[in-house]
Amino acid sequence: DVKVTQSSRYLVKRTGEKVFLECVQDMDHENMFWYRQDPGLGLRLIYFSYDVKMKEKGDIPEGYSVSREKKERFSLILESASTNQTSMYLCASSFLAASSYEQYFGPGTRLTVT
Amino acid sequence: QKEVEQNSGPLSVPEGAIASLNCTYSDRGSQSFFWYRQYSGKSPELIMSIYSNGDKEDGRFTAQLNKASQYVSLLIRDSQPSDSATYLCAGGRGFKTIFGAGTRLFVKA
Repeated sequence: DVKVTQSSRYLVKRTGEKVFLECVQDMDHENMFWYRQDPGLGLRLIYFSYDVKMKEKGDIPEGYSVSREKKERFSLILESASTNQTSMYLCASSFLAASSYEQYFGPGTRLTVT
Repeated sequence: QKEVEQNSGPLSVPEGAIASLNCTYSDRGSQSFFWYRQYSGKSPELIMSIYSNGDKEDGRFTAQLNKASQYVSLLIRDSQPSDSATYLCAGGRGFKTIFGAGTRLFVKA
């Protein structure tokens, strides 16, 4: 079974703090993704990566950065957390091959910024 | 703006009935389509993927794709209370996937 893990299930941070969210997958997937999910807005793509050290902006990259130093690990960084970044953050991974684009999600991190 | 549209619901069906969930997409270049189930407070779980026109069956689930009409559906036969969840429809071009906001399904015992 595909396993995607995230470093924390719940996180509370103060405004202005630098926040690191980590994601690890064990299926040798090339692609990794970071989404945020808010009520009524669905899943919105923040950043994705299709290879080590490669990253591409998604639909809402402002206020976020990412790092992928190893194939299995993809980190999301909130440079200076703000209250409007309070959300559920979901990491996902998938193969690059055209035959299988299914994304598999980690359990999510519910981040509250106060 | 490429979009995937779903009725937010809630859709309420009695136990044992067929639940029918629908979705439309705007990007004609979309090649792959997925249904995810998301229980409250949990992350999305992939339940079906479909790549070509027609029906695809897996247990109690049937996914249907009509590319000409840009329409995807999910049928759940013999619905159970444990099927109560939000169902996300998603469509992708290459490995980038766009998700709908989801339809809430409630199965009454």
